[in-house]
Formats: sequence, C-alpha cells, structure tokens
Amino acid sequence: AQSVTQLDSHVSVSEGTPVLLRCNYSSSYSPSLFWYVQHPNKGLQLLLKYTSAATLVKGINGFEAEFKKSETSFHLTKPSAHMSDAAEYFCVVRISGTYKYIFGTGTRLKVLA
Amino acid sequence: GAGVSQTPSNKVTEKGKYVELRCDPISGHTALYWYRQSLGQGPEFLIYFQGTGAADDSGLPNDRFFAVRPEGSVSTLKIQRTERGDSAVYLCASSLSSGGIDTQYFGPGTRLTVL
Repeated sequence: AQSVTQLDSHVSVSEGTPVLLRCNYSSSYSPSLFWYVQHPNKGLQLLLKYTSAATLVKGINGFEAEFKKSETSFHLTKPSAHMSDAAEYFCVVRISGTYKYIFGTGTRLKVLA
Repeated sequence: GAGVSQTPSNKVTEKGKYVELRCDPISGHTALYWYRQSLGQGPEFLIYFQGTGAADDSGLPNDRFFAVRPEGSVSTLKIQRTERGDSAVYLCASSLSSGGIDTQYFGPGTRLTVL
C-alpha cells in the first residue's frame, strides 16, 4: 500500500536558520509526491510537487524538496526560516492510477525569534 | 478571483441528526474532492468528482455518508444519523482538470461538531 510517513510531529528552528522537514514514502510505483502547508485559520496551499521529472523540485516561498528513490524520501528544505513559515506541513502521495491522495500526519513548524 | 468556498463554516448538531455541507469550487474547475480532517491528523480522502459523477468514492467511511454534484459545480456532502465520531473539519478542494496532478485548491473547511 502506498503511504507517507512524516518523521517529526514538531520541529523548532530559529529565524534565519535552515529548515528540514522529513518525509518517507512507500510506493511500488513511481510516486507523485506533494508538500502542502496549512497556516492557522487558512486553507491548505500547495508548496511543490514531484511528478517524475527533475528530482529536485523548487516550490513557493523558497522551499524545495529532493526526491531520493534509494532512500524513499522526499524531505522539504528551506535555507533560511522566516517567522511567516510557522505552520503545519503535510507530505502527500497520490496513489498510482487513482485520484486518491494520502496525507501524512503533519509536521508543525515553529520559528523562534 | 474567488477561491473555494464552504458553508457553513461551523455546524453544531446533535447525535442522530442529518447534516449537509456545501462546497463551491473555483469556477471552471471540473475536479472536486472532499476530505475529512480530524484533530491532529492529516486530511483523509473521502470522494472525488469529475464533472457530475463520483469517479472515486472509496474513502467514504460508510453508507451514512453521501455526496452529490448535480450540475458539475457546487457539491454537497450529506451525513445521515450523525455520530460523535463524525466530528471533524470537512475540507473541499477543486482542481482544473482530472489529470490527477493538477494543483488542488482547498477551501477553509466546515467544522462539524456532533454533540
């Protein structure tokens, strides 16, 4: 079965330091993977998506993610955290051949001043 | 332009009652999804519409849940005989086409509380 595992439920970083949010996937096929962000009292927003093109995917707001098949990972990174990055982040996989999306349990990012 | 809207934003009901939750997708979007997000969890897929038809309803938890999209635009999620375990935020998303990898645009959700 296809799934994603977000390895950290909470991550705290200082403003201006790098961000790393970890996601591992399970899939027998070449997966379609996504990262979404959910700010308090706002709707989910797509950050970036991987669909078997370039393995390094750049998204909005300076975020990027690298698809590593050998490690079955799709970690989200940002070189320098901003206070406005504080939110909940979800790693998502689309089940091959369907329109069904499986969300991870989320990582809450806290940015310290 | 207008995003995805959902009404009501909050709904409180009693166990056993019937509720309807409405989703207005972005104009021109043919694909529409419903998800349920319980506290501390990620959204859980419920159903996917392509146009008027439910292309995948495998995520509906049981036959108390039903959704329609009669004209290929607005969708209504219907829950019969509500139970306390149905309490969650119900999210709707739409995307331009049925390609499956198109960006989904999410609404703000309806928070359902079953007492």
